[in-house]
Amino acid sequence: DQQVKQNSPSLSVQEGRISILNCDYTNSMFDYFLWYKKYPAEGPTFLISISSIKDKNEDGRFTVFLNKSAKHLSLHIVPSQPGDSAVYFCAASGGGADGLTFGKGTHLIIQP
Amino acid sequence: EPEVTQTPSHQVTQMGQEVILRCVPISNHLYFYWYRQILGQKVEFLVSFYNNEISEKSEIFDDQFSVERPDGSNFTLKIRSTKLEDSAMYFCASKERGDYNSPLHFGNGTRLTVT
Repeated sequence: DQQVKQNSPSLSVQEGRISILNCDYTNSMFDYFLWYKKYPAEGPTFLISISSIKDKNEDGRFTVFLNKSAKHLSLHIVPSQPGDSAVYFCAASGGGADGLTFGKGTHLIIQP
Repeated sequence: EPEVTQTPSHQVTQMGQEVILRCVPISNHLYFYWYRQILGQKVEFLVSFYNNEISEKSEIFDDQFSVERPDGSNFTLKIRSTKLEDSAMYFCASKERGDYNSPLHFGNGTRLTVT
């Protein structure tokens, strides 16, 4: 039962270009969405979030877009830097539930 | 920057043994969580804890699991009788407030290997 889906296990992007990571969800009760970044041997680190009342949230090089009708969100990183190479997890919460539901992650590789 | 700390970083145990995974959440945080990630799979919610009691638990968190905040700083996850399928990375997390805008801060995890 994959309520949060990240269909690309990996993504390779050239340094300086835009990285776009995608996430789809099925549970219409989700109303808050987050992106986490994870390096090997470390825990997930919070990056950026968006509430369902918005369709865009921006923080420096990171922008999250939410399309509620399509149940789709994306994370844009521009320009991509070598330190952005990591696994990116999409997560969602809502419907009164306390726990986050995570996707399986996308491994982003930034090539020089 | 304050961080969530977890010990040990790696725990090896035999099937049927009890294990206790330890966490020190960020000091001014009030909401505590355990998540786990089986190798190659997604991060899964186990349990949330607030005001000295469990707020919510997932289907994974059965009677073999328990959590405790024995003092003002530690937050522990106990697995009473470990099974092979309990092998996973266990992440502790905490947040300052209960609202969605308060992000979760994760520790670096404890890798539990059950043999």
